[in-house]
Amino acid sequence: QLQLQESGPGLVQPSETLSLTCTISGGSIGISNYYWGWIRQPPGKGLEWIGSVYYSGSTNYNPSLKSRVTISVDTSKIQFSLELSSVTAADTAVYYCARRGSYYDSSSGYYFFDYWGQGILVTVSS
Amino acid sequence: DIQMTQSPSSLSASVGDRVTITCRASQNINRYLNWYQQKPGKAPKLLIYAASSLQSGVPSRFSGSGSGTDFTLTISSLQPEDFATYYCQQTYNTPWTFGQGTRVEIK
Repeated sequence: QLQLQESGPGLVQPSETLSLTCTISGGSIGISNYYWGWIRQPPGKGLEWIGSVYYSGSTNYNPSLKSRVTISVDTSKIQFSLELSSVTAADTAVYYCARRGSYYDSSSGYYFFDYWGQGILVTVSS
Repeated sequence: DIQMTQSPSSLSASVGDRVTITCRASQNINRYLNWYQQKPGKAPKLLIYAASSLQSGVPSRFSGSGSGTDFTLTISSLQPEDFATYYCQQTYNTPWTFGQGTRVEIK
């Protein structure tokens, strides 16, 4: 059974860089057609897609965060990582890592997040 | 960005009730629509993908329908474990966006 686990500091100083890692177990990060993503959820609020990475290193990011986000993959460690720079209190959230699964019919490919980590609360505060 | 609007924002229902949640996209998203269930303190769980395909292991009382801009998630007979918040998500265009959520509470 595929499992994902987020790790990293739970407290980050304003203007610093938030760094999180997602470790995968029970599966491989290098399987074609699977992207790996980060999603966040401020306390009491909804979900926001941050970005995704392919095992080759190809990425796509939410434009609202693109100038501050870097997502990378380490296939040897079966991990992928998130860096978010110049954080403010508005970046306080539960951060989830997830697998982007896919389904193809005769005409289209459909994507969704089918496996999620448990989430890690990151608070930005001095 | 494509805006996803869910209605209602919250509802109260009893065990055994039929529950319908609506999600409207700000533009045509074909069938690129997913539904998730989230319980307090837990990660979201995929219920429905491609508007109407049931994820493996999800009870058949959950169903999804719609295409274009209007979609629905239906729970045919609400069970105690279904009290949660439900989110729709579009994957037609990046940035992928979610609805604001619908909280299903016990009546």
